[in-house]
Amino acid sequence: DIVMTQSPDSLAVSLGERATINCKSSQSVLYTSNNKNYLAWFQQKPGQPPKLLIYWASSRESGVPDRFSGSGSGTDFTLTISSLQAEDVALYYCQQYYTTPYNFGQGTKLEIK
Amino acid sequence: EVQLVESGGGLVKPGGSLRLSCAASRFIFNNYTMNWVRQAPGKGLEWVASISGGSDFIYHADPVKGRFTISRDNGKNSLYLQMDSLRAEDTGVYYCVRDVGDLAEYFQHWGQGTLVTVSS
Repeated sequence: DIVMTQSPDSLAVSLGERATINCKSSQSVLYTSNNKNYLAWFQQKPGQPPKLLIYWASSRESGVPDRFSGSGSGTDFTLTISSLQAEDVALYYCQQYYTTPYNFGQGTKLEIK
Repeated sequence: EVQLVESGGGLVKPGGSLRLSCAASRFIFNNYTMNWVRQAPGKGLEWVASISGGSDFIYHADPVKGRFTISRDNGKNSLYLQMDSLRAEDTGVYYCVRDVGDLAEYFQHWGQGTLVTVSS
């Protein structure tokens, strides 16, 4: 199984500042035949289902603000929020869809400092 | 807009059974791989099972293998999860999730979830 490990577990950032969340997979999720990283990021607010933010490690889902960006390849990935807004307070999860089981990271709680 | 509405959750005793349903609308159901993902109270997300558009490919997570069965009825635009031999650790919100397509790729749309509580 591919184990997904996020860091940090929680993060407090001031409004307008940059927030960075890391995700590491226990093996590569880069499919060499198409050069795509099978890695997604989700945002979950209290009482709501998760919402897709980023897929293929760096492609932003339609309607997601451009302050959200994803980067990385192979086993190391990053979700960056360039200028934190109050509505970004949430839990964030990475997930690999390279192979079953489609494991998620443990989650990172993002708060306002 | 894609709609996914789960139902069938509730309180059940350990060892009991439940059948979850997900009614899908506003997209061509049989063109998409569908999934169940669960979340225990206060915990993270856990993939449970996936089924391709034509039911050719079916996968279950190890913790539920042999106890849960994912299925679909494309004529009724519905996804199901038959849950047998339920345990306390199966307690949580179960989400119906649609892939972006039928190639087992990323999870694009999520339902609101249905709560399953396994307790005596």
